[in-house]
Amino acid sequence: QKEVEQDPGPLSVPEGAIVSLNCTYSNSAFQYFMWYRQYSRKGPELLMYTYSSGNKEDGRFTAQVDKSSKYISLFIRDSQPSDSATYLCAMSANAGGTSYGKLTFGQGTILTVHP
Amino acid sequence: DVKVTQSSRYLVKRTGEKVFLECVQDMDHENMFWYRQDPGLGLRLIYFSYDVKMKEKGDIPEGYSVSREKKERFSLILESASTNQTSMYLCASSLFRGEQFFGPGTRLTVL
Repeated sequence: QKEVEQDPGPLSVPEGAIVSLNCTYSNSAFQYFMWYRQYSRKGPELLMYTYSSGNKEDGRFTAQVDKSSKYISLFIRDSQPSDSATYLCAMSANAGGTSYGKLTFGQGTILTVHP
Repeated sequence: DVKVTQSSRYLVKRTGEKVFLECVQDMDHENMFWYRQDPGLGLRLIYFSYDVKMKEKGDIPEGYSVSREKKERFSLILESASTNQTSMYLCASSLFRGEQFFGPGTRLTVL
């Protein structure tokens, strides 16, 4: 079983829809949670960064972390065609120490928002 | 803004060639990472470095080596390229907090 599970999709939604992307994980030591967006043939770009449980909002994007369920989510409101990309979740056990910030990634979910 | 640059966007090499992939970051980050990304396999860590001249093996180091002579530069070396090393190679850097910033990637094809 992988440490981080993410449904690869693909997910196709109409413009304006609310998108929900999810990851589950098994390592209870994970404390730092990230979402990356990757456009085709480009490197991943950091979208959201959260520490421990709770919600974080940035414009149309909301990240949620539920450590008790080992479940994280990314919500995209009023989705746009420009949101079409692969979304990767990533997490780490600690920010320093011996792990040096190593991340464990989900496989990525391919999202298409059609006009 | 953090900027991570990679020396080539596309590279075509022949089996057995020695290949150098260069990565430079401009934000004085301590940590630097090399990944490869393949369809269905996601991002896999090859090597990382937490300081100049320091390196640690990641999950798939076989067939690769790295060099970090200066803080801002981290090189990935394929000693003798093979066709199964055809992939997208991504470099990243980070401060201690764990959020990593990625370069644009190098798509390497080994013939």
